[in-house]
Amino acid sequence: DGGITQSPKYLFRKEGQNVTLSCEQNLNHDAMYWYRQDPGQGLRLIYYSQIVNDFQKGDIAEGYSVSREKKESFPLTVTSAQKNPTAFYLCASNSPYRDNSNQPQHFGDGTRLSIL
Amino acid sequence: AQTVTQSQPEMSVQEAETVTLSCTYDTSESNYYLFWYKQPPSRQMILVIRQEAYKQQNATENRFSVNFQKAAKSFSLKISDSQLGDTAMYFCAFTSRPGGTSYGKLTFGQGTILTVHP
Repeated sequence: DGGITQSPKYLFRKEGQNVTLSCEQNLNHDAMYWYRQDPGQGLRLIYYSQIVNDFQKGDIAEGYSVSREKKESFPLTVTSAQKNPTAFYLCASNSPYRDNSNQPQHFGDGTRLSIL
Repeated sequence: AQTVTQSQPEMSVQEAETVTLSCTYDTSESNYYLFWYKQPPSRQMILVIRQEAYKQQNATENRFSVNFQKAAKSFSLKISDSQLGDTAMYFCAFTSRPGGTSYGKLTFGQGTILTVHP
């Protein structure tokens, strides 16, 4: 079955440590996105990528980095510069320009990141 | 920049009754897309319904329907015959049409927690 796989489900970060969240999709989608969700709040866009080897900052990119070397993969690194990383992270994908119909985004199951 | 506002942090409804969740948005664009997503306790984001702004007819998906008022920039979700499985957080979201400033990106509201009581 096609879908988006995020791993790990739970992740713990020590002070000063960088951690990487994985996101893989087999939906053949062109675009991929990373969102952050804080308790009781909506989703905020961190980074997004519309094609391979290209990505743009979202609304809260500081302290995060991404890469898009393959169409299927869009890993997110939470760097030590992100002072408040505890949150739920969601990855999504779609093909917004296919058929000019703005296909809705499909989401993974998320990764919960906590600091030790 | 677009903004999406959900003014009801929490709502509750009895099973089999009808409930309406409110959403307002602000944009200078004339054509765009609006969505309602559901996030149950499992935290998975599930698309409930989608509305294209240039279509005047309100979207409907089984027990879910919207009341889209473009001039008022309002996009409410009506859930009929509420079921226990409808208990979730509901998010309203906006994106531009192709070529728009935020095409492909979603701007979310703060969410409304809906509890369906037996």
